[in-house]
Amino acid sequence: DAKTTQPTSMDCAEGRAANLPCNHSTISGNEYVYWYRQIHSQGPQYIIHGLKNNETNEMASLIITEDRKSSTLILPHATLRDTAVYYCIVTGGSNYKLTFGKGTLLTVNP
Amino acid sequence: SQTIHQWPATLVQPVGSPLSLECTVEGTSNPNLYWYRQAAGRGLQLLFYSVGIGQISSEVPQNLSASRPQDRQFILSSKKLLLSDSGFYLCAWSKAGVAETQYFGPGTRLLVL
Repeated sequence: DAKTTQPTSMDCAEGRAANLPCNHSTISGNEYVYWYRQIHSQGPQYIIHGLKNNETNEMASLIITEDRKSSTLILPHATLRDTAVYYCIVTGGSNYKLTFGKGTLLTVNP
Repeated sequence: SQTIHQWPATLVQPVGSPLSLECTVEGTSNPNLYWYRQAAGRGLQLLFYSVGIGQISSEVPQNLSASRPQDRQFILSSKKLLLSDSGFYLCAWSKAGVAETQYFGPGTRLLVL
């Protein structure tokens, strides 16, 4: 799997958009970008994934650059419940494994 | 909709005792099943995955084993626990196939003393 690089931590004001960046410069053509989050003491929660095009669902939007070397997860209106560690994961091909790094600790402040 | 269950939620066991953690999935058939472990302050590490009944693949050598006696049941076991087996154990499922989205259960927190 391609390696990903994320900031260790970020802060966001409640009600504002949270933009979480991820670099994955060695991504292969058949690899997807996945985002999960883990709220303290809970299992990881799937958020969104994409291959080339930008994606949006009820939780978030995923913006992937044209060269696919980086992406941004956008939480449009962050709430206190969005405080969590956010993981950017690149996987695909014949791989069954999700490789979790250290992720970004997003703290949403009132 | 699909649901994944794990139990127990928390477990405290002495060193040398056996272990059995259970994971079941509802609302889907022939899923892939996964066991991950998260040690304190570390990322999740895939331990085992299964693509069908009786089919187990191990990712890392360790003191643990896994079994899949039924289509939607995945069990993690140990004959003798070590202190280093402490951690947060997570079961996940995905649709059959490779690189499918994985959905995680609530986890079991194991403390070996």
